[in-house]
Amino acid sequence: RKEVEQDPGPFNVPEGATVAFNCTYSNSASQSFFWYRQDCRKEPKLLMSVYSSGNEDGRFTAQLNRASQYISLLIRDSKLSDSATYLCVVNMMEYGNKLVFGAGTILRVKS
Amino acid sequence: NAGVTQTPKFRVLKTGQSMTLLCAQDMNHEYMYWYRQDPGMGLRLIHYSVGEGTTAKGEVPDGYNVSRLKKQNFLLGLESAAPSQTSVYFCASRGSGQETQYFGPGTRLLVL
Repeated sequence: RKEVEQDPGPFNVPEGATVAFNCTYSNSASQSFFWYRQDCRKEPKLLMSVYSSGNEDGRFTAQLNRASQYISLLIRDSKLSDSATYLCVVNMMEYGNKLVFGAGTILRVKS
Repeated sequence: NAGVTQTPKFRVLKTGQSMTLLCAQDMNHEYMYWYRQDPGMGLRLIHYSVGEGTTAKGEVPDGYNVSRLKKQNFLLGLESAAPSQTSVYFCASRGSGQETQYFGPGTRLLVL
């Protein structure tokens, strides 16, 4: 079983739509959680951290459910520029705070 | 402030050839990492370093070696390249006490 699992998509949505991505992780000892964004095989960039209390940054909302080992990302009012691959990332305390990456979920926003 | 840079951006090797990938960061970060990214898979950690002069194996270290002689540089070496090492290689760095890793633009390597 993969340590971090995501639906690869692609999710094809019209501009203005709301879209949600889910992610599950297998190691209950995981310490912290993130969503990264990756454009066209460029480098991953941090989108937002994910906290147990949930957090929001503009149109983006992230949620963490430690009991179910489940992370989500909600994007409201999708823009063309949101088209990218979204990587669910878990921070493990081993390996010098190694990041474990999901394979990513592809989002395509169309006009 | 360039952040994290990687050279070269792209390279084609023949099986058995050797090469070194260079990662440089100007943020005075203690931690540096080398990942590879393959289609349909998440980034996987090859080697990492927790400070100048120290290196350690990640989850897929076979066929690679690393060195961290200077704090700002982290080198990844392939002694005898194999087609299975065709991949995109990303370097990342992180400051002590921080969680965010900053990535370089990547090196695309094709081994024929």
